[in-house]
Order: sequence, then structure tokens, then C-alpha cells
Amino acid sequence: AAGVIQSPRHLIKEKRETATLKCYPIPRHDTVYWYQQGPGQDPQFLISFYEKMQSDKGSIPDRFSAQQFSDYHSELNMSSLELGDSALYFCASSSDSYEQYFGPGTRLTVT
Amino acid sequence: KNEVEQSPQNLTAQEGEFITINCSYSVGISALHWLQQHPGGGIVSLFMLSSGKKKHGRLIATINIQEKHSSLHITASHPRDSAVYICAARAVAHMNYGGSQGNLIFGKGTKLSVKP
Repeated sequence: AAGVIQSPRHLIKEKRETATLKCYPIPRHDTVYWYQQGPGQDPQFLISFYEKMQSDKGSIPDRFSAQQFSDYHSELNMSSLELGDSALYFCASSSDSYEQYFGPGTRLTVT
Repeated sequence: KNEVEQSPQNLTAQEGEFITINCSYSVGISALHWLQQHPGGGIVSLFMLSSGKKKHGRLIATINIQEKHSSLHITASHPRDSAVYICAARAVAHMNYGGSQGNLIFGKGTKLSVKP
């Protein structure tokens, strides 16, 4: 069965650079969630989208933005990167059942 | 105090032992998830519960809504069960999140190590 796809899997950026993370949900899933997991930390909710509209916002910095496109994939754009942005970024998708299926994550390292 | 508390934080067991991981939550929830995270980071959803009990192979998850408590049990544990197990609550409404549905509040995880 198709799973949630995230790209890239690993990304190394320098401070003050920008990064774009992509998430492709399971087919027919209409909701996408983004989570950030810092080293040794539990995941924290960033933002979610339902039917291409932002449905909720968590602890997402103003330097980050995200959107969901017509094909339901989502992109998380991160600007003016800081060392503290180094983390594992998970995307999850769900449909009417509300069960969230997680992608493998993108490991971002900011140097 | 965290809204989702797990215990124990670390657990070492011998192969074959019965394992229980506990989760308590203080928020109203619409569902509770048990997740498994292996070294390297990937998260797998094991169960989503809103009431009662679910079983999948050697894994059993229970939830008591009145007591705001859930448990994950692993029978006949095996070294390949070694991972971090995370309890995550899907809040009905939470003031910090504007009363939305869907996003999860995660516990700190329980690191399980099963020795052969």
C-alpha cells in the first residue's frame, strides 16, 4: 500500500539559508500535518491543512510557511534558517478516519 | 505538567517477557494514538483508540476514558520490539491550538530495549 512520502530525506543547509520540505500524502487523504522533532525531544505540531486550506497552527515560527496544493501534496518553506531548526520534520496524512499515517521524516541539519 | 505523561521513560526487558507501557492524559481527547519510533526516526502508527481495547498480533492497547489512561501491552517480547513507543493524544479542543481537531499532543516516549 502507498505510504506518505517525504523529500528530501536528508538536507544540510547553512544558517540564514532557506529550505523547502515536501510531503506527498497517501492517495485520497485530504489532511496533512507537519511536526518537528528536535534532538531528544518529542514531536511538536507545526501546522495542518485540510482540503488545501490551513486548518490549524501550532508552534510554527513566523520564518516558516506552508501550503497544500491542488494535488494535496504539501510544502514547508523555511527561511533564515537557525541552528535550532535542526530537527526531524515529519509529515502525516489522514482522511475521514482521522488516523494519522506518518512519513519517514526529513532530517534537516543547519550548520 | 505535561498534558500527556508516559511511564516508564526507559524499560529493559528479557526476550519473552510481558511488557506494559502506561499513558495518562489531562486534556479531553477524541482519540489516542500509540506510535512506534525506531532508531533513525521513522514513526509507525500502531493503534488509534477512542474506547475499549484493540489487538494486533502481540500488541494490545487499552483505554479507559473515565480515568484518562491508556496502556500498551506487548506479549512474548522480542528484541525486534526494541524502539521508542510514543503515546499521542488528539485533543478535542485546546486553547493553544484554537480548538482544532486532528493535531496530536505527544508524550515523551518510552524507550524499550528487549535483550535476547
